[in-house]
Amino acid sequence: QKEVEQNSGPLSVPEGAIASLNCTYSDRGSQSFFWYRQYSGKSPELIMFIYSNGDKEDGRFTAQLNKASQYVSLLIRDSQPSDSATYLCAVNLLTGGFKTIFGAGTRLFVKA
Amino acid sequence: KAGVTQTPRYLIKTRGQQVTLSCSPISGHRSVSWYQQTPGQGLQFLFEYFSETQRNKGNFPGRFSGRQFSNSRSEMNVSTLELGDSALYLCASSLTGGSNEQYFGPGTRLTVT
Repeated sequence: QKEVEQNSGPLSVPEGAIASLNCTYSDRGSQSFFWYRQYSGKSPELIMFIYSNGDKEDGRFTAQLNKASQYVSLLIRDSQPSDSATYLCAVNLLTGGFKTIFGAGTRLFVKA
Repeated sequence: KAGVTQTPRYLIKTRGQQVTLSCSPISGHRSVSWYQQTPGQGLQFLFEYFSETQRNKGNFPGRFSGRQFSNSRSEMNVSTLELGDSALYLCASSLTGGSNEQYFGPGTRLTVT
């Protein structure tokens, strides 16, 4: 089992819809969870981080964390074509000392 | 506040050579992590430095090494380059590392021929 797993996609949604991106992780003791957006040819950009169970909202983005299910998700409301990118889930693992492990990423396409 | 800077942005080397990449973190950040990104393997953790000490290391051969200076700037070195080392090398800075969020630099695109 991979430490951090994401559906590689591509996930295609129409403009204005809600895009839902999911991520599962293996280390039950993980404390910190991050979502990065990466445009083609660019470096990852931090868009959300969440440390506690529940929802965290920032503008059109909502991160959801369920530690019991070892599951973290990112919702993008009112999706725009400019949201088309690869979204990377990152988890800070406690095993072997603090290190951040990234999922392979989900490619999102928002159709105008 | 200035972001993370990396130099050089692009590099072409031949097999067997060595290369040094540089990273300057966000002012006040003391942790620097290095990652390798390739289309096949995704983002893979190389190592993390905090206060001039390597705190954590990924599963890469000893050809990959790094160091951090007292001003938190960091360098990574790859010796005896192989074709498979062609990748985007990313540096990320964090206030104290650990569970803190990280901010990435623009990366150095290394091509080994």
